[in-house]
Amino acid sequence: GAVVSQHPSWVICKSGTSVKIECRSLDFQATTMFWYRQFPKQSLMLMATSNEGSKATYEQGVEKDKFLINHASLTLSTLTVTSAHPEDSSFYICSARRGWNLLYEQYFGPGTRLTVT
Amino acid sequence: KQEVTQIPAALSVPEGENLVLNCSFTDSAIYNLQWFRQDPGKGLTSLLLIQSSQREQTSGRLNASLDKSSGRSTLYIAASQPGDSATYLCAVSAGETSGSRLTFGEGTQLTVNP
Repeated sequence: GAVVSQHPSWVICKSGTSVKIECRSLDFQATTMFWYRQFPKQSLMLMATSNEGSKATYEQGVEKDKFLINHASLTLSTLTVTSAHPEDSSFYICSARRGWNLLYEQYFGPGTRLTVT
Repeated sequence: KQEVTQIPAALSVPEGENLVLNCSFTDSAIYNLQWFRQDPGKGLTSLLLIQSSQREQTSGRLNASLDKSSGRSTLYIAASQPGDSATYLCAVSAGETSGSRLTFGEGTQLTVNP
């Protein structure tokens, strides 16, 4: 149980276009989902936290107008990178927490590698 | 601001050796601590989760300990195998009651040589 999927697993897009990444909890309801990015040889950095049905909370330095997050249901959150630039190329990973209890662990998706040309 | 440090950054050992990975964090007010494994180009695999009230967790050849008061955790791997080669990440969960967040260390890149 507690499986999280991401789609697509990799994507290449041209500079200036937008790309959407989906994160789904397959066998549980995720009240909270998290989006991270990871640059090569670096650790994961939290971008934003989204609770189902409400606006996402972005970390300092993350442009909310550039990285649009929608958590419309208890099993799906999407991250849209708008007007992508080469510096947005990175590995994006989502995670989902089963419930409101802060002691619950986060379950991570397999990641999406974005390359902007 | 919570900061997580992992030592060493890289480790290379011969197969069969027992090894210890270290993780330290600056703010002891955590909910839990997790150890993850990440293979190149892949997502995270959760290895062990230790709640703040616990001292250790074990799974197979892995044992993780937590000393919250001193802000330290160790991951012990017994009888290492080449398949254990990966990057190991430590992360602590902390934050406001409205939502917790994971803060990750930079990871330890482990290579187990046959």
